[in-house]
Amino acid sequence: AQKITQTQPGMFVQEKEAVTLDCTYDTSDPSYGLFWYKQPSSGEMIFLIYQGSYDQQNATEGRYSLNFQKARKSANLVISASQLGDSAMYFCAMRGWNTGNQFYFGTGTSLTVIP
Amino acid sequence: DGGITQSPKYLFRKEGQNVTLSCEQNLNHDAMYWYRQDPGQGLRLIYYSQIVNDFQKGDIAEGYSVSREKKESFPLTVTSAQKNPTAFYLCASSILLAGVDEQFFGPGTRLTVL
Repeated sequence: AQKITQTQPGMFVQEKEAVTLDCTYDTSDPSYGLFWYKQPSSGEMIFLIYQGSYDQQNATEGRYSLNFQKARKSANLVISASQLGDSAMYFCAMRGWNTGNQFYFGTGTSLTVIP
Repeated sequence: DGGITQSPKYLFRKEGQNVTLSCEQNLNHDAMYWYRQDPGQGLRLIYYSQIVNDFQKGDIAEGYSVSREKKESFPLTVTSAQKNPTAFYLCASSILLAGVDEQFFGPGTRLTVL
């Protein structure tokens, strides 16, 4: 069975500071991909970053980086230099090669950036 | 521009009525999905389809039905059997069996049953 766990229902960060959003996962699939999405109050889901299970290096996309620790089954999102526009819900998701096309989502973390 | 459209953005229905939510994509994706999101909650999978004329139940399929007659379209019907249909519904699509490719989402439909 696939499972994504996000243990931080809400997080606060000061503007211009860095913040880490936690994500752990459980899977029996030897090959999988990990994704982070941002959901502003408007409701749209915005893809942020992807990490493959066999990628040797941590993924980075602008101010977003993914701290991937395979042995610990964690895929934390790091946002550097937080901006007010980063305030949103953030979801971690996983897709396994052997589980076809189904994506599994965590319950999300609500991030609030304080000016 | 390629993307996913959902209509309408807001939908109000009386209790006991069936309602159909539209989802169309022009990304040429084989796989399409429907999710339900309740306030402050994550996404729960209702149905997904990997190919035309085929679809599978997700975790909360009871009270919902879908069809996939065309690759571009994956409408969701919320039936009167769904006990608590008021929620935010998101449609998504992805490339078939390509783990590196993310899901693309539509803007969502907020359904309120009065």
